[in-house]
Amino acid sequence: DSGVTQTPKHLITATGQRVTLRCSPRSGDLSVYWYQQSLDQGLQFLIQYYNGEERAKGNILERFSAQQFPDLHSELNLSSLELGDSALYFCASSGRTSRTRNEQFFGPGTRLTVL
Amino acid sequence: GENVEQHPSTLSVQEGDSAVIKCTYSDSASNYFPWYKQELGKRPQLIIDIRSNVGEKKDQRIAVTLNKTAKHFSLHITETQPEDSAVYFCAASTGGNKLVFGAGTILRVKS
Repeated sequence: DSGVTQTPKHLITATGQRVTLRCSPRSGDLSVYWYQQSLDQGLQFLIQYYNGEERAKGNILERFSAQQFPDLHSELNLSSLELGDSALYFCASSGRTSRTRNEQFFGPGTRLTVL
Repeated sequence: GENVEQHPSTLSVQEGDSAVIKCTYSDSASNYFPWYKQELGKRPQLIIDIRSNVGEKKDQRIAVTLNKTAKHFSLHITETQPEDSAVYFCAASTGGNKLVFGAGTILRVKS
């Protein structure tokens, strides 16, 4: 167990719908990262938050957005869902010191299926 | 941006043999190189990492080497066991930032 939690574990929805994925980082971690894992694209970085502020953006679609709340949990919102959005979505967190900020620990993931 | 290539895509070894997975990266600013193990349907688990000021790091049966000049790093697993069977990912980062992952290596350890 990494200490990073994600809910829900599974999500099945229809095209055009909107869903919210939730992540709680390890206790004390300030950084939260979102990654998408699909069979054809591998593990792709989406977005990073640090202490409530957006820090970096990767291959995140405009239909997707995220935020990090004052209690440091994060939510990833996916809207106007398409079949191709079906994937595993992972959240990871890293520590606040110069030594621990590099190490990213992953949550169990949310498997999204768009029908 | 950073690009990480990983080889081989599939690796089969006999139990007890060694396994080597190699990665190359493109961004000379990358200074942190972790390796993750992922079992089917599970989360990637950090198994070992190396920073750019170190050439080699070992943890029991697992070792990682880094050649900064050539921009490549490798994972070595000795005395492989069936429970080592999984997908292994290398990654590169500029530290405290996003990880750029390789495409993964499916390791099968045959008993």
